[in-house]
Amino acid sequence: DSGVTQTPKHLITATGQRVTLRCSPRSGDLSVYWYQQSLDQGLQFLIQYYNGEERAKGNILERFSAQQFPDLHSELNLSSLELGDSALYFCASSVEDPELFYADNEQFFGPGTRLTVL
Amino acid sequence: AQKITQTQPGMFVQEKEAVTLDCTYDTSDQSYGLFWYKQPSSGEMIFLIYQGSYDEQNATEGRYSLNFQKARKSANLVISASQLGDSAMYFCAMREGISGGSNYKLTFGKGTLLTVNP
Repeated sequence: DSGVTQTPKHLITATGQRVTLRCSPRSGDLSVYWYQQSLDQGLQFLIQYYNGEERAKGNILERFSAQQFPDLHSELNLSSLELGDSALYFCASSVEDPELFYADNEQFFGPGTRLTVL
Repeated sequence: AQKITQTQPGMFVQEKEAVTLDCTYDTSDQSYGLFWYKQPSSGEMIFLIYQGSYDEQNATEGRYSLNFQKARKSANLVISASQLGDSAMYFCAMREGISGGSNYKLTFGKGTLLTVNP
């Protein structure tokens, strides 16, 4: 158990719908990353938040958005869903303390949310 | 150009034998980190081992060791004494940049599916 929780575990929805994926980082971790794993694109970085602020964006579609709340949990919102959005969505957290040795800023992955768009 | 290349889509190994999973990377940064993750059929991402670009010794964690050849830009994972439970997808990943508030996103390879035969 990595200490990162994600809900729901599975989500089945229809095209055009909107869903919200939730992530609670490990206690003490300030940074949250979202990754998408699909058969054709593999594992891709979507977006990073650090202590409530957006830090970096990757291959995230405009239909997708995320936020990190004051209690550090994060939500990934996916709207106008398409069949191609079906994937496993991971959240990872790390302490991201610049004072720590590089190796200690390891990312711990949650169990993922499997999204199926029908 | 791919930043992380895993050339073996699938590998087979007999139980109790050693196996090497290949990974080559591409970066112009001097400071970076290389990671290996295991993803069993259940889907979770399990951190296995880490190698920093400035680490002079190859990383080891139990039955896992990382054969780091910096000049060749390779970071192969060696699993000794394979067990049936090692059957899984294995991903090599890289984190570029320096500490101090940088984006620590991971870039993943496409993975190698390891099957351990009894």
